[in-house]
Amino acid sequence: DAGITQSPRHKVTETGTPVTLRCHQTENHRYMYWYRQDPGHGLRLIHYSYGVKDTDKGEVSDGYSVSRSKTEDFLLTLESATSSQTSVYFCAISESDRSQETQYFGPGTRLLVL
Amino acid sequence: AQSVAQPEDQVNVAEGNPLTVKCTYSVSGNPYLFWYVQYPNRGLQFLLKYITGDNLVKGSYGFEAEFNKSQTSFHLKKPSALVSDSALYFCAVSLSGGYNKLIFGAGTRLAVHP
Repeated sequence: DAGITQSPRHKVTETGTPVTLRCHQTENHRYMYWYRQDPGHGLRLIHYSYGVKDTDKGEVSDGYSVSRSKTEDFLLTLESATSSQTSVYFCAISESDRSQETQYFGPGTRLLVL
Repeated sequence: AQSVAQPEDQVNVAEGNPLTVKCTYSVSGNPYLFWYVQYPNRGLQFLLKYITGDNLVKGSYGFEAEFNKSQTSFHLKKPSALVSDSALYFCAVSLSGGYNKLIFGAGTRLAVHP
C-alpha cells in the first residue's frame, strides 16, 4: 500500500462523539487526500492537502475538518459524528498535483457510527 | 461537470475467458483516465492510466485498457481471466490542465468463476 498507513483500521463510535482518523506516509509526498467510499458512489473527495498547513475542501467536506502539521501526517476529524458518516475512509498521496499524476491509496479505515 | 459511469454493477466471467469492464466518461476537456482495483478489505491498487499517445494502455497483472475518444470510453480488458482477478474495479478521470482531482465511477464487481 505504497508506504501509507491508516489508523485506526476499524472504529465504532456513537453519534455526537468526535473522531479523528490518521494517515501516515513514508514517501515524503507533498499532496495528500481523504476520500470516503460508499456503495453506489465510488470514492468521493473530502479534503486534500498541498503542503504542511495547506488544505482545501473537496466534494463532500461538510462535517469534516483536516489538519496537517507535518509532511507525513494528515488527520481527518469528524467533530460530531453522525450516522451518515458511517463509511470506509481512504487516504491517498501523490507526488505532484498535476492531473496526470497517479494517486496511491492506503488500506482504509472502516467507521461505524451508531 | 465531470462524471464517470460504470454501467455494470457486476460482471461474471468464466476462468480462462476474456473479460471486459466498461467505463464511459463525460468531461469538458482532455481527460486523463485511470483504473484501480480493490481486493476485499484492502485499499485501491493502481492498475493503469491513459495520459496521451497510444490508445491501448497496458498495465499490471495482464490488464489493458483502450481509450476511445469518439465513444468517450475507457474499457478495461484482459484476454484470459483468473479466479484471483475477482475484485472491485474503479474507473476514474481527471481533467488535463486542472488539479489532481479524481472523479470515480461507482465501481464494478468482477466475479471470475472456476
